[in-house]
Amino acid sequence: AQSVTQPDIHITVSEGASLELRCNYSYGATPYLFWYVQSPGQGLQLLLKYFSGDTLVQGIKGFEAEFKRSQSSFNLRKPSVHWSDAAEYFCAVVGGGADGLTFGKGTHLIIQP
Amino acid sequence: DAGVTQSPTHLIKTRGQQVTLRCSPKSGHDTVSWYQQALGQGPQFIFQYYEEEERQRGNFPDRFSGHQFPNYSSELNVNALLLGDSALYLCASSLFGQSNSPLHFGNGTRLTVT
Repeated sequence: AQSVTQPDIHITVSEGASLELRCNYSYGATPYLFWYVQSPGQGLQLLLKYFSGDTLVQGIKGFEAEFKRSQSSFNLRKPSVHWSDAAEYFCAVVGGGADGLTFGKGTHLIIQP
Repeated sequence: DAGVTQSPTHLIKTRGQQVTLRCSPKSGHDTVSWYQQALGQGPQFIFQYYEEEERQRGNFPDRFSGHQFPNYSSELNVNALLLGDSALYLCASSLFGQSNSPLHFGNGTRLTVT
């Protein structure tokens, strides 16, 4: 069965500083990987996705993520965070059998002024 | 282009009651999935509907059932509500059979069971 681990429940970053959110997955074959963001009281918005090819993927709002098969990781990065980036971030994986997405428990990002 | 819409936005029910939540998919999408998101947790997959049939199901009891209509909209029904059913219920739409087709989520229905 596939699984996703987001080791950091909360992360606090100063505005303008760089950000890295960790995600580790467990899946037997090549996974499809996603990062979603959720603002309070809202649904989930897709930031970026990895299916194949270039292991560094670019997303919306200046985010990027790197797929590292050897580490089973798909970490999310942003070079300079803005106060509006404060939200809950979820990493998710799905297998080739078109199962439902398996989400991690999320990382709550707090931005300090 | 309308995205995924869900109704109602909030709902309060009593233990033992039944509830129906509704979802209209994004224009052009034919598949609807439902997720339960408990407070402080990531969403958990309930089931997926395509061509008016349940295609896949997560680890949820039979109290959770659904329906998809010819216009691709969907309902989630929960019977014999438990306190533990209190959660944000998210609907997502996509194109069937394409694991790499990103899910588009609605803003959810917040269900409180008292």
